[in-house]
Amino acid sequence: NAGVTQTPKFQVLKTGQSMTLQCAQDMNHNSMYWYRQDPGMGLRLIYYSASEGTTDKGEVPNGYNVSRLNKREFSLRLESAAPSQTSVYFCASSQGGLGNQPQHFGDGTRLSIL
Amino acid sequence: SQQGEEDPQALSIQEGENATMNCSYKTSINNLQWYRQNSGRGLVHLILIRSNEREKHSGRLRVTLDTSKKSSSLLITASRAADTASYFCATGVNTGTASKLTFGTGTRLQVTL
Repeated sequence: NAGVTQTPKFQVLKTGQSMTLQCAQDMNHNSMYWYRQDPGMGLRLIYYSASEGTTDKGEVPNGYNVSRLNKREFSLRLESAAPSQTSVYFCASSQGGLGNQPQHFGDGTRLSIL
Repeated sequence: SQQGEEDPQALSIQEGENATMNCSYKTSINNLQWYRQNSGRGLVHLILIRSNEREKHSGRLRVTLDTSKKSSSLLITASRAADTASYFCATGVNTGTASKLTFGTGTRLQVTL
């Protein structure tokens, strides 16, 4: 049982380049999330999708876009990468209720913007 | 802004000892969750305690919640080297039509042989 799978695991970009981070879950969860983790900052919510067909901004959405492709997949896109977006990105999913259910995390994408 | 803040930021103990981590938060919550993160890995959910509960156990883990003090503690008994990880509290807050989970900055636990 894979749980939450993120690809790629590592990526280096140049400033201004674009890329899409992929996330898929096989637990039939309704809700999915994208977080970034920076040293000393904990996890900060970028975007979330409470259910298939809906997406909403989190705490730090600027510079990002998301797509809930279907119930399983939730992608995060950086249109024009900036050094401030260097971070570790985590995708998570839960059965529902953004803050009322345990969340299941992938192992992260380590992204460096030069 | 951070809702939950863990204390201490780092903790080093010997195998077999108990480890206690604390979490303080600022606003009323619906629930509080604890997660573990091993180096280079994603977060793993440990335990969820609802605002109307005071204590919860799961194996060697004991979580308490004091809503009057807006604080929670995570106790790991008889620690093992495999417990070495960062531990995060996360507060679930209902905000009208949705609810929000906010993570603290974590406690790094080192368990030595």
